[in-house]
Amino acid sequence: GDSVTQMEGPVTLSEEAFLTINCTYTATGYPSLFWYVQYPGEGLQLLLKATKADDKGSNKGFEATYRKETTSFHLEKGSVQVSDSAVYFCALSGQRDSNYQLIWGAGTKLIIKP
Amino acid sequence: IAGITQAPTSQILAAGRRMTLRCTQDMRHNAMYWYRQDLGLGLRLIHYSNTAGTTGKGEVPDGYSVSRANTDDFPLTLASAVPSQTSVYFCASRQGVSNTEAFFGQGTRLTVV
Repeated sequence: GDSVTQMEGPVTLSEEAFLTINCTYTATGYPSLFWYVQYPGEGLQLLLKATKADDKGSNKGFEATYRKETTSFHLEKGSVQVSDSAVYFCALSGQRDSNYQLIWGAGTKLIIKP
Repeated sequence: IAGITQAPTSQILAAGRRMTLRCTQDMRHNAMYWYRQDLGLGLRLIHYSNTAGTTGKGEVPDGYSVSRANTDDFPLTLASAVPSQTSVYFCASRQGVSNTEAFFGQGTRLTVV
């Protein structure tokens, strides 16, 4: 079945460092891909998405490119801030044969130190 | 403001008691979901509904039941709570097609003692 694998955390960086959180997937067809962010004590909120190969999603300085050849959707940011500390989830939405279910990665906790 | 409302925000419940977590959305989304999140990571799907009148089991349905009498409401019931059901519960909704994102409520923190 469909699955999402993302790098384990916690990831600890200093402010203004470059961020990459890896995400790879297994799916039939052409899933849509998402990154969600969860700040402490809150629900998940959409950070960015891509719906077809080579699409780049971007928001709040974060970017991710849908790479079908490597089945990846890595999250990147050029210069992180303390306010980016949160848990990040990679997810995919399957096709009709998987009932369009959302498949979630395990989450990666990001800690940014001043 | 449109979105998803969950109630209560937190609850301490005695083991063996029955409890219903409420979830209401005003976006007219077809699909709704209940997840539990343990230890601050890892969402696990409990039950889902792709449209009003239908429901399905997720990854961890045992001990939980749901109903979807209308588009807006998707309550989750714990028939007889056990300590292992201590968790944060999130309700979510989406339009139901593959390229749409899910919207989440703020969560219900449930402690079963």
